[in-house]
Amino acid sequence: DVKVTQSSRYLVKRTGEKVFLECVQDMDHENMFWYRQDPGLGLRLIYFSYDVKMKEKGDIPEGYSVSREKKERFSLILESASTNQTSMYLCASSPISVSYEQYFGPGTRLTVT
Amino acid sequence: QKEVEQNSGPLSVPEGAIASLNCTYSDRVSQSFFWYRQYSGKSPELIMSIYSNGDKEDGRFTAQLNKASQYVSLLIRDSQPSDSATYLCAVNGGKTSYDKVIFGPGTSLSVIP
Repeated sequence: DVKVTQSSRYLVKRTGEKVFLECVQDMDHENMFWYRQDPGLGLRLIYFSYDVKMKEKGDIPEGYSVSREKKERFSLILESASTNQTSMYLCASSPISVSYEQYFGPGTRLTVT
Repeated sequence: QKEVEQNSGPLSVPEGAIASLNCTYSDRVSQSFFWYRQYSGKSPELIMSIYSNGDKEDGRFTAQLNKASQYVSLLIRDSQPSDSATYLCAVNGGKTSYDKVIFGPGTSLSVIP
């Protein structure tokens, strides 16, 4: 089975802090993604990566950056956390094919106070 | 703007009935279509994928695709209370694996014992 893990299930940070969310997958997938999910807004893509050291902006990249130094690991960075970044953050991975089946991690519920 | 639309629900069906979930998409070049199930407080889980017109069956689940009508549906036969969840329709937005997957807002399903 595909396994995608995220570093924290729940996280509470203060406004202005730098926040790191880590995601690791064990299926040698080329593609990795970061989404946030908010009530009424659905899943929104923040960033994705289709190869090591490669990254592409999604629909809402402002206030975020990413890092992919190894194939299995994709990190999301909030440079200076703000209260409007309080959300559920979901990492996903998929193999490089047109099928594009994504497998999600358990999510990190981030609260910024 | 590429869009994926679903009825938000909630859709309520009695235990043992057939639940029918519908999804329409705007981009005619879409190639791959997915259904995800998301329990409250959990991350999305891939349950069905379909790539060709027609029906695809997997246990109690049947996915139906009609590319001419830009319509994809999910039927759940013999619905169980454990099927109560939000169902997300997702569409691969183009011809290559670098194209984003677009998620619909989800339909909430409640199976009444």
